[in-house]
Amino acid sequence: SQQGEEDPQALSIQEGENATMNCSYKTSINNLQWYRQNSGRGLVHLILIRSNEREKHSGRLRVTLDTSKKSSSLLITASRAADTASYFCATLSHMDTGRRALTFGSGTRLQVQP
Amino acid sequence: DTGVSQNPRHKITKRGQNVTFRCDPISEHNRLYWYRQTLGQGPEFLTYFQNEAQLEKSRLLSDRFSAERPKGSFSTLEIQRTEQGDSAMYLCASSSGQGGETQYFGPGTRLLVL
Repeated sequence: SQQGEEDPQALSIQEGENATMNCSYKTSINNLQWYRQNSGRGLVHLILIRSNEREKHSGRLRVTLDTSKKSSSLLITASRAADTASYFCATLSHMDTGRRALTFGSGTRLQVQP
Repeated sequence: DTGVSQNPRHKITKRGQNVTFRCDPISEHNRLYWYRQTLGQGPEFLTYFQNEAQLEKSRLLSDRFSAERPKGSFSTLEIQRTEQGDSAMYLCASSSGQGGETQYFGPGTRLLVL
């Protein structure tokens, strides 16, 4: 079953604008990861944030994590048409569970208009 | 090529037939994962190997599904007596078991059961 829920389900913006996607999850986690998927393709890893981190940056990406609210956000600044894709958050359960599988949300479909 | 590869990329089969997919992980990655993704949804975990040992299986993996990783390198996923509900993208990922469990995904095999 899907643990995460992304919000919004779909987002359409103009090139140059910022895009913010949110993710909520249900259980204790070891880390949270964001992936991008172009239509019909595999997933590309974007960024990983650990449960003891609150914010992380990578190029035009900024990720925040609030473990008290069990939520995360992904901000893409100065968006480009090439950023058009689906974005998924995925959680790795706390190490005590022994589970190694990622649990994905249902994704946000981002459309960046040129 | 150092990425995860999957074959075939597309498979069309008739209901009741058996199909087998192959995944070649990034060399030296000891962990290999299979996920299934249906249209508009995030990937759902099927099974996970550490070296040749299958350590975790989802309840989604019915008895018609079997996965192997005989030498701890490539893996195969077989679906017997396929059903229309098996139509999906089957994704393989691998990880080194370090660095917070970043998983690197292959391009997927898209299965259509007629």
